[in-house]
Amino acid sequence: KAGVTQTPRYLIKTRGQQVTLSCSPISGHRSVSWYQQTPGQGLQFLFEYFSETQRNKGNFPGRFSGRQFSNSRSEMNVSTLELGDSALYLCASSLDPVGSDTFGSGTRLTVV
Amino acid sequence: KQEVTQIPAALSVPEGENLVLNCSFTDSAIYNLQWFRQDPGKGLTSLLLIQSSQREQTSGRLNASLDKSSGRSTLYIAASQPGDSATYLCAPKGYSGGGADGLTFGKGTHLIIQP
Repeated sequence: KAGVTQTPRYLIKTRGQQVTLSCSPISGHRSVSWYQQTPGQGLQFLFEYFSETQRNKGNFPGRFSGRQFSNSRSEMNVSTLELGDSALYLCASSLDPVGSDTFGSGTRLTVV
Repeated sequence: KQEVTQIPAALSVPEGENLVLNCSFTDSAIYNLQWFRQDPGKGLTSLLLIQSSQREQTSGRLNASLDKSSGRSTLYIAASQPGDSATYLCAPKGYSGGGADGLTFGKGTHLIIQP
């Protein structure tokens, strides 16, 4: 079966712009989580959605937001981009919030 | 707040050796713990998942153990191969009043297997 699909793979944006990243989970998976990976901070949890509801949120500013659709696909949005938002953004899906997580290949965001 | 420490941070060994990677976590209130590998610039590949009620899991040359009460997990790699070169990450999934939390990751162990 198809894995977790993240689009786009690479993105270059200018400081102050906003960006939307997309994640399509494995078919049947209803939980989607987002993570940010940077060389300095490592992998950090952003938020998790289950059945279209945000269940958990990490320690990130309100510029980072997300949503989940009825087909479990998820998007995350970052507004007013800063240079420090440059990172690999990873999405993971699982059957439910306590299940095994499968990660996508990520979206590499560069803010210039 | 969960904190995860992985030791060693880096390891370089000749092919064929058996290896042990260590992971410690501060909060034993976890649903499960996963071990992942990450190749440079890529996403995470799940290796093993251990439920909180389990002591160990095995998959091929990999064996992971979990001692929840002491906050420790180890990943044992038998007969290492150059293809095992990657960064290995451990991630417990905790819980709080609202249910399951997100995964908390350590900094990882950067492993190089020399041919």
